[in-house]
Formats: sequence, C-alpha cells, structure tokens
Amino acid sequence: AIWMTQSPSLLSASTGDRVTISCRMSQGISSYLAWYQQKPGKAPELLIYAASTLQSGVPSRFSGSGSGTDFTLTISCLQSEDFATYYCQQYYSFPRTFGQGTKVEIK
Amino acid sequence: QVQLQESGPGLVKPSETLSLTCTVSGGSVSSGSYYWSWIRQPPGKGLEWIGYIYYSGSTNYNPSLKSRVTISVDTSKNQFSLKLSSVTAADTAVYYCARDVRCPWCVQGTYYYYYMDVWGKGTTVTVSS
Repeated sequence: AIWMTQSPSLLSASTGDRVTISCRMSQGISSYLAWYQQKPGKAPELLIYAASTLQSGVPSRFSGSGSGTDFTLTISCLQSEDFATYYCQQYYSFPRTFGQGTKVEIK
Repeated sequence: QVQLQESGPGLVKPSETLSLTCTVSGGSVSSGSYYWSWIRQPPGKGLEWIGYIYYSGSTNYNPSLKSRVTISVDTSKNQFSLKLSSVTAADTAVYYCARDVRCPWCVQGTYYYYYMDVWGKGTTVTVSS
C-alpha cells in the first residue's frame, strides 16, 4: 500500500490568510491525487482531482499542485466557510489510501 | 444530478454481519462510466477505503478487510451493497458510499484511473451488544 504523510495535522489561521497543506507519498503516483474538504458531521466533498484540476463549482481560491511524491493544496485567501478538515487521497494504486487529514481552525 | 443514499441498521452486534445499501438516484449503477465505492470513518478518525464494484460485478477490496467484505450490485434496483462479517467494536464508523468517475486524461495505455466525485451523506453504524 502507498503511505501518505499529510502535514500539518492542525493549522491555525485567520480569515484572509494564505494556507498550504502538504501531502507526501511513499512512492510516486504521477498526478493521480484528489483533495477533499470535510466539515463536522458531513461527508467529504471533492475539491481537486488529477492533482491540480478544480472540481466544478469549487471556488478558485483553492488550488492544487505537484506530481510524483509531493503535492500541495493552497487556499489563497481563507474564508470563514473554509474552516474544515482536508484530506488528500491517491487513486494511483490499490488499495486507495487517504492522508491523515489537516484540520484548519480559526486562530 | 446524481445522489447517493446509504441505508441499513445503525446497531450491529459483535460477531454478526453488517449490511448496508446505497441507493443511487439521478444516475444509473449500470453505466459503464463509473465504479461504486464504500468508504468508512471511525469516530474522530480518518477515512478508509473499503472497496468498489463495477456494474458487471467486478470488485476490488482493501486487503485489510478483504476476508470479511462483500460488495454487490443490484442493477434492477439501482443499488449497490456492502456486507462486512464478524464485526467488532473496531468496525464502528460512519459508512459512506461514493461514485467513482473516470478521469478523462488520467490514462496509461488503455488503463483509466478513477476518482471519487460524489458521496452519500453517510450512515453511522455502531457495533455493540
């Protein structure tokens, strides 16, 4: 299985901040990575797939980059509705695996 | 717009079999363009992919659960289902179903890669006597 190291696990930030979340793979996965946002009591929602393609309807302040083993999710200007937990997930090989999650909280 | 809805008992006794169904509306499980996944999330923890199924019945399971998992599809009811046998308290979780869609440019040779784009709201299953 491919192991994923997501960091940080907790990120304290203020509205308007630029935040970056990292996801590192134990082996290369090309660009077969998705990012999800999950709010308390809700199902995860797809933000980005293919490492950098924004899902339809997702605000442009979200962006993704990377390939191979190192990936990044960036929120350019944090909004109140962005305080949530974010997960990366690889779909390059089976079993599909997720990062441990990054909780973005209000500073 | 496709929607997925999980259903099934919220309480299962240890050693018994957990059975859940995902009903698809606004789309068809018979479409050859999608796979259909199950994912779970223990309380306060991260996400774990359980497995998926194609409309033909072809499956792929997480090795960590493979000996206990069966995923099946019922095209006549537009549903797919999860069975997890010999459950313990460690199987207590929110269970989600999701649709896997083909990434148009994520291809190597003739092999396409799929990602999960639509999720159900989830259903909580507690394993307890």
